[in-house]
Amino acid sequence: QQQVKQSPQSLIVQKGGISIINCAYENTAFDYFPWYQQFPGKGPALLIAIRPDVSEKKEGRFTISFNKSAKQFSLHIMDSQPGDSATYFCAASMLWMDSSYKLIFGSGTRLLVRP
Amino acid sequence: DTGVSQDPRHKITKRGQNVTFRCDPISEHNRLYWYRQTLGQGPEFLTYFQNEAQLEKSRLLSDRFSAERPKGSFSTLEIQRTEQGDSAMYLCASSLSVGGETQYFGPGTRLLVL
Repeated sequence: QQQVKQSPQSLIVQKGGISIINCAYENTAFDYFPWYQQFPGKGPALLIAIRPDVSEKKEGRFTISFNKSAKQFSLHIMDSQPGDSATYFCAASMLWMDSSYKLIFGSGTRLLVRP
Repeated sequence: DTGVSQDPRHKITKRGQNVTFRCDPISEHNRLYWYRQTLGQGPEFLTYFQNEAQLEKSRLLSDRFSAERPKGSFSTLEIQRTEQGDSAMYLCASSLSVGGETQYFGPGTRLLVL
């Protein structure tokens, strides 16, 4: 019940196209859903995050769509660029009993944007 | 504005040796997390500190692992008697007390146990 399932495992998109990555969760107590971008040899960097009280959040070329009833959320990268080539992780969190906000991560999507 | 820093960035050790990693969180961040990331997988939670108190440890953290955060500032993660299965990227993240769900990650320490 604590898992976050992410798909696809890898994605190839042409420059200028739209990249879409999907995640699903089971625990309805989760109330914070961030997306992280990770380049090889680097730590994850926070891209954008959403709470379940909104269905969409947009920051620049990045948009999160959230479907609370389906327990799914997705990342859309508009006008994808070669510099967006990285691994993307969705995650979920809540205020746990230990007062932490530990993140439960998906397994990652390796995105390649072709020039 | 400095982010989360970790040292060393890379560590190669022989099986059975002890290793220690350091994490310096963003100043004024009183929440600190350690995660472990194996190749091709997402990070997995290891342990959590609020100030100097270690409040949560994952079952992934065997008794060979110990973490400290003296005075609520930097943190260290020690692995004793390393095993080949310990080879991974060890990530540190920090966050504020308010808005604590937003975690900022360091660059990680990549450990290779031969």
